[in-house]
Amino acid sequence: GIQVEQSPPDLILQEGANSTLRCNFSDSVNNLQWFHQNPWGQLINLFYIPSGTKQNGRLSATTVATERYSLLYISSSQTTDSGVYFCAVERNTGTASKLTFGTGTRLQVTL
Amino acid sequence: DVKVTQSSRYLVKRTGEKVFLECVQDMDHENMFWYRQDPGLGLRLIYFSYDVKMKEKGDIPEGYSVSREKKERFSLILESASTNQTSMYLCASVPGGVTYEQYFGPGTRLTVT
Repeated sequence: GIQVEQSPPDLILQEGANSTLRCNFSDSVNNLQWFHQNPWGQLINLFYIPSGTKQNGRLSATTVATERYSLLYISSSQTTDSGVYFCAVERNTGTASKLTFGTGTRLQVTL
Repeated sequence: DVKVTQSSRYLVKRTGEKVFLECVQDMDHENMFWYRQDPGLGLRLIYFSYDVKMKEKGDIPEGYSVSREKKERFSLILESASTNQTSMYLCASVPGGVTYEQYFGPGTRLTVT
C-alpha cells in the first residue's frame, strides 16, 4: 500500500519562531489533507490541498504532486499551535475515498 | 458547521466484554469511517461505510465489526474486547460523490483491562 512519511517526528519551538513540516508519499494520490490534533485529541482540518499553495492566516501549505511531497509552514508560532500535525493522502477505492495517514509531527511551542 | 459526536470520551472495559462505540453525524453525509490511533502509528482505518447497511473493511478490521442502520449513525463493535484493543478510536464522516475533507469526532479513549 501507499506509504506516507512525515518529518521531523518531534519539534520544539520557541514562541514566535517559524517552522516547516514535510510529508512524503510513495504513490500518486487523489488528494492530500493536513490536520492538527489538539492536546484533547480533536482532529481539525487545516488544508485540503491536492496541488499548489494555500494560505490560512499564519499557516500555509504547498503540495507538489508530481514530486510526491507536501509542506506545511507555520509562521510566528504560538503556544496554541502545539499538538500533533498529520498529513493524510486520499486513495479512491471506487466505493469511497479512504485516507492513509502519516505518523505525525509532534510540535511543542514554548514561551 | 458539521458536527460529529461520539458516545463516550473515556471508556474502561474488561477483557472478553462486548463493546459498542457509537458515532453520529448531523450533516447527511454518505460516508463514515472508524479509525484507531496508537502512538507512533498514526491513524489506521478499521472499517468504513458508504451507505446505509453498506460497509467495507479497512486496513485493520480483525477483531471488529460495524453496523450502519441509519445514515447518521455508525457503530463500531468489539465482539470480545482484548487488551491489544486499548486505543483511541476516532470516527469521521464525509459527503459522497466528489471528494471532500473528512470531519472527525472528538475520539473515544478505550482501555481494556
